[in-house]
Order: sequence, then C-alpha cells, then structure tokens
Amino acid sequence: GAVVSQHPSWVICKSGTSVKIECRSLDFQATTMFWYRQFPKQSLMLMATSNEGSKATYEQGVEKDKFLINHASLTLSTLTVTSAHPEDSSFYICSANTPGLMNEKLFFGSGTQLSVL
Amino acid sequence: ELKVEQNPLFLSMQEGKNYTIYCNYSTTSDRLYWYRQDPGKSLESLFVLLSNGAVKQEGRLMASLDTKARLSTLHITAAVHDLSATYFCAVGDNTDKLIFGTGTRLQVFP
Repeated sequence: GAVVSQHPSWVICKSGTSVKIECRSLDFQATTMFWYRQFPKQSLMLMATSNEGSKATYEQGVEKDKFLINHASLTLSTLTVTSAHPEDSSFYICSANTPGLMNEKLFFGSGTQLSVL
Repeated sequence: ELKVEQNPLFLSMQEGKNYTIYCNYSTTSDRLYWYRQDPGKSLESLFVLLSNGAVKQEGRLMASLDTKARLSTLHITAAVHDLSATYFCAVGDNTDKLIFGTGTRLQVFP
C-alpha cells in the first residue's frame, strides 16, 4: 500500500520559535497532501490542502501566515508552524493522495506531536 | 457543508459482547472510510466503502454503507481487549477532502 512518512514524530520547542514538519510519499507521487490537526481526545480537523506546485488552500479559521505549507515536489510537503505558541501544541498529521488512489485506503503519516513551552 | 457525526462518543463494553458504532453524514458522498487510532499514534486504515450496500469484514469488525440513508455502521463482534481504541469514520466530499467524524472511544473490559 501507499506509504507516507512524516517526521519528526515529536518536537518540543520554545515559544516564538518556528518548527518544520515534513511529509513524504515514499512509493507514489502525491499530487495532493492534506494537513490535519488533532487536539487531545478530539477529532482530526483539516487545516489545509496542499497541491504540488501551487499555493495551499486553507480551511476557514486557519491562519495561512502562521502555518506555512510548501509542496515543492510530488513526494514532499512541509508544514512550518511560525512563531509557535503554547496554544499551537497539538498532534499534526499529514496524508497524501493521488488520483489513482482515490478509491483505495488512504494512508496517513505517523503524526507529529508538537509541544510548545 | 458536509458534516459527519458519530455515536456513541464513548463506548465501554465487556469482552465477548457485540456492538455497533454509527456514522451519519449530511450530504451526498461516494466514499467513506473507517480508521482506528491508538493513543498517541496516527491512523490505521480499516475499511473503504465506495458504493451503496457495500459491506466489508475483517476479523471481528464489519463495516457497511447505506448511501441513501447517509449512514455507515461499524459492527464489533465478540469484542476483545485488543480492540480498545478510538474509531473514526471519514467521508469524502466532492473534492479530495476527507471530513472526519467525532470519533468513538471504545474500551473493552474483561
């Protein structure tokens, strides 16, 4: 099946710093990648949709200047949390898609637990 | 706007018992997924359902889809402790997006 690699798995940072999270599709070319955020004991909330070579589409209420998404290649998308604050602490998960996989099980990255002190 | 609701939100059940988790969604969709999540982990894909009347089974879990009722069920048969986890349904909208349900936290006790 389609494999999606995400790292780091876990990051602790000081308030005000920026953190970059990478999401890679290992055995297929991902035309679209999705970024989700999950707070403890809550569901996954879609933050943005990232299409290769174009600007990301952000969901309502997500600050595009704070959560920078870059999808420069068909196998890599990055999410940068800029000037992180404690309220940004969350579990961030990516998933990747390509038209041929639309009807298959969609696979997710392993997730990144971000803790901002 | 597509909305997805699950119930129950929390389920505590005894080993050996059967139960069903329900997933309702608000607008037409052509694909529905079920996922399992263990604490601190990412999502494990369980089933993808693509047509009305689709039924899939794996082990003690069986998922079905009724697109007319906009309802999917995840049925647990003879629960065992290893099934304790949070289960999410997710529904595809008319783009590539997946909208997730609220999740059902399942706890199976002896």
